[in-house]
Amino acid sequence: GNSVTQMEGPVTLSEEAFLTINCTYTATGYPSLFWYVQYPGEGLQLLLKATKADDKGSNKGFEATYRKETTSFHLEKGSVQVSDSAVYFCALSEGGTSYGKLTFGQGTILTVHP
Amino acid sequence: SQTIHQWPATLVQPVGSPLSLECTVEGTSNPNLYWYRQAAGRGLQLLFYSVGIGQISSEVPQNLSASRPQDRQFILSSKKLLLSDSGFYLCAYDSGNTIYFGEGSWLTVV
Repeated sequence: GNSVTQMEGPVTLSEEAFLTINCTYTATGYPSLFWYVQYPGEGLQLLLKATKADDKGSNKGFEATYRKETTSFHLEKGSVQVSDSAVYFCALSEGGTSYGKLTFGQGTILTVHP
Repeated sequence: SQTIHQWPATLVQPVGSPLSLECTVEGTSNPNLYWYRQAAGRGLQLLFYSVGIGQISSEVPQNLSASRPQDRQFILSSKKLLLSDSGFYLCAYDSGNTIYFGEGSWLTVV
């Protein structure tokens, strides 16, 4: 079956530091890949996505590139802010008729200090 | 516009009591609907999905059930809650190649 493995957390950084959260996946076929963010006390928000190999998703300064050869979709941001403190989830969908059947990683808690 | 609502947002229930979480979707017809759960310290897990009225698929064995009485209504239920049912429950639907999540329901079983 499908699986998503995320870097263990929690991750603690100072403001303006560089962020990388690793994500690797196992899937049959050619899945779409996502990063979701959950801010404290809120629901899940789509941060970015990529639907095919070598695609780069980007949003709010975050980026991730779909690497089929390494089955990875690592999340990066050049300079984090306190407001980026949240839980980040990597996920995949095999698409097709049930696009919303997502397989999630375990989540990575990010805390950014001033 | 397309929207998704779920309620209640928060509830505290005793062990052995029943549960009903409701999710409704607006602005789309015949959506695929999903229930996910996030247990404490863990990732999100797909519980149920539905491709049409009365059609429910269960992804994991558990103490919960789901129903879809109307095209845009999805209900998560339990007859007798267990402590292990505590968690954050999310309803979702997909439209085209986009997935939309509800606001979530926090359930604490005591």
